[in-house]
Amino acid sequence: DTGVSQDPRHKITKRGQNVTFRCDPISEHNRLYWYRQTLGQGPEFLTYFQNEAQLEKSRLLSDRFSAERPKGSFSTLEIQRTEQGDSAMYLCASSFSTGQYGYTFGSGTRLTVV
Amino acid sequence: QQQVKQSPQSLIVQKGGISIINCAYENTAFDYFPWYQQFPGKGPALLIAIRPDVSEKKEGRFTISFNKSAKQFSLHIMDSQPGDSATYFCAASIDTGNQFYFGTGTSLTVIP
Repeated sequence: DTGVSQDPRHKITKRGQNVTFRCDPISEHNRLYWYRQTLGQGPEFLTYFQNEAQLEKSRLLSDRFSAERPKGSFSTLEIQRTEQGDSAMYLCASSFSTGQYGYTFGSGTRLTVV
Repeated sequence: QQQVKQSPQSLIVQKGGISIINCAYENTAFDYFPWYQQFPGKGPALLIAIRPDVSEKKEGRFTISFNKSAKQFSLHIMDSQPGDSATYFCAASIDTGNQFYFGTGTSLTVIP
């Protein structure tokens, strides 16, 4: 297991298009988190899953955003009708449910909406 | 509203010097305070973390100092090296497995 894997690393899309990102967590971790990071800022929480259940969603996660984690393994984050303000780095992280040892982040997917 | 305030925004230190980054919080329910290190193009990586029941934690050249009454905590990097040049984020959470509130980051440059 080489850590948290995110795909794609970079995505350029036209405004109004839909995009989907994938995250593969560390296999032993049952929690999975999505964060968004804009330039010069710290990561901002979007949502997290424990196994397949989505337990919490930030108000940042508008109706255009949806996240899933079928079977409690990988997760997808979809953004519909992208806007220029969605341009950011989307980070996935995973952890044990106790949070012991902290999160392990992936390298992120950088989204650019043109 | 920024839950965790971090300063300075950027820091330049000579090799061998001490780098100090400060954070402050308001929510007294926070009980887990990690520091993350991020290199360009990478996700943040956990560096060191502390609980409020201790005032200091040291791991190698990295030390967290925690002042519960002042609601402040800081990261000290001793004997700073050029390889430490990165962006550092403090964070806070209620319990360890829940969402983190991150500071805005400090860009550290260590000059050889």
